[in-house]
Amino acid sequence: GQQLNQSPQSMFIQEGEDVSMNCTSSSIFNTWLWYKQEPGEGPVLLIALYKAGELTSNGRLTAQFGITRKDSFLNISASIPSDVGIYFCAGQTIIYGNNRLAFGKGNQVVVIP
Amino acid sequence: KAGVTQTPRYLIKTRGQQVTLSCSPISGHRSVSWYQQTPGQGLQFLFEYFSETQRNKGNFPGRFSGRQFSNSRSEMNVSTLELGDSALYLCASSLSTGNTEAFFGQGTRLTVV
Repeated sequence: GQQLNQSPQSMFIQEGEDVSMNCTSSSIFNTWLWYKQEPGEGPVLLIALYKAGELTSNGRLTAQFGITRKDSFLNISASIPSDVGIYFCAGQTIIYGNNRLAFGKGNQVVVIP
Repeated sequence: KAGVTQTPRYLIKTRGQQVTLSCSPISGHRSVSWYQQTPGQGLQFLFEYFSETQRNKGNFPGRFSGRQFSNSRSEMNVSTLELGDSALYLCASSLSTGNTEAFFGQGTRLTVV
């Protein structure tokens, strides 16, 4: 199956710092999505990217769809304590008309006040 | 507009029993996907339903099954429960099977003892 690689598994950052995480795959995707999951909750969609090279922002979050279509990155600027959570990347392909999402294993972000 | 609703939130079952989980998608969404989330494996795709038909299936044994009703609500069933089935089961809804953005419910935490 399709594998998405996210590293590192966990990141400890100082409040106010920027943090970047990336997601790579050996497969090509049509769409990249970034989700955030907080304890006891389901993942929440942060940003969706539809075109190779696309750079999209959502508040302090910026994400890019890699030119090769095999990678994406997410940047959080000026981190705050509520940025704590697990950030997942997901890549989507459409195979024979059917939508299929593959997820990375997530980056645990801890913000130190 | 109400989000994705999953019931129950928590469930404890013993080995060998069966369990049924329910998911009500966002109003107007017709595609429902199910995922199993465990600390070691991350989010693993179970299956997707659209218009009461299973459109996609992940690599899970036949003990895992699902269905979708005419109002787009979906249920998943796990028979002959094993300890390794303990996980957070997440349901995601999207407008259609070709739509890229999936919205997740809070999940059902299943513990098998």
